[in-house]
Amino acid sequence: EPEVTQTPSHQVTQMGQEVILRCVPISNHLYFYWYRQILGQKVEFLVSFYNNEISEKSEIFDDQFSVERPDGSNFTLKIRSTKLEDSAMYFCASRGTDNEQFFGPGTRLTVL
Amino acid sequence: GEDVEQSLFLSVREGDSSVINCTYTDSSSTYLYWYKQEPGAGLQLLTYIFSNMDMKQDQRLTVLLNKKDKHLSLRIADTQTGDSAIYFCAERSFSGGYNKLIFGAGTRLAVHP
Repeated sequence: EPEVTQTPSHQVTQMGQEVILRCVPISNHLYFYWYRQILGQKVEFLVSFYNNEISEKSEIFDDQFSVERPDGSNFTLKIRSTKLEDSAMYFCASRGTDNEQFFGPGTRLTVL
Repeated sequence: GEDVEQSLFLSVREGDSSVINCTYTDSSSTYLYWYKQEPGAGLQLLTYIFSNMDMKQDQRLTVLLNKKDKHLSLRIADTQTGDSAIYFCAERSFSGGYNKLIFGAGTRLAVHP
């Protein structure tokens, strides 16, 4: 069964460093998403991406964040200068033409 | 704005039915979802219901939607220890921006012998 994959599973970085979180969505899907879950809190929407551009973003998704689909299969989330409060589990999701949004296993980002 | 609320904990005996409840605020919600998260794992889509339906059944899972009260429930029949997890309710609405899901805080289901 097709699934969304994410790498790495755990990323540790120093405050101020750049990180890139990678996702491979399900191959025939058209809509791509990033969500995050700070420990003990709700899963929060960050950004949606369709037709090679951002279709919606939340207040959290400020200028420090960017997304890219560089090669037609990967979907990346870049945080330019990480802050302590960026520590969270980051989930990638994708959706085809139906209403089922499938999530990856997540990348746990720890900012020291 | 949109908000989704769930009770935080539910404890049931193995073999009993579990009912996990959720309320949402956005009356324009079109689809409502249930996801399961096991420890250390991602979000597994269990089922979803379109807002013009009252009920959806899928094997041991029954989803009930009361659109008037904006109340959604997930019933798990014959609950097993493998059902122990956190269950998230989520809504997808036009007013929230049609692309995103709004999640509740999750209900931790503990199944004991």
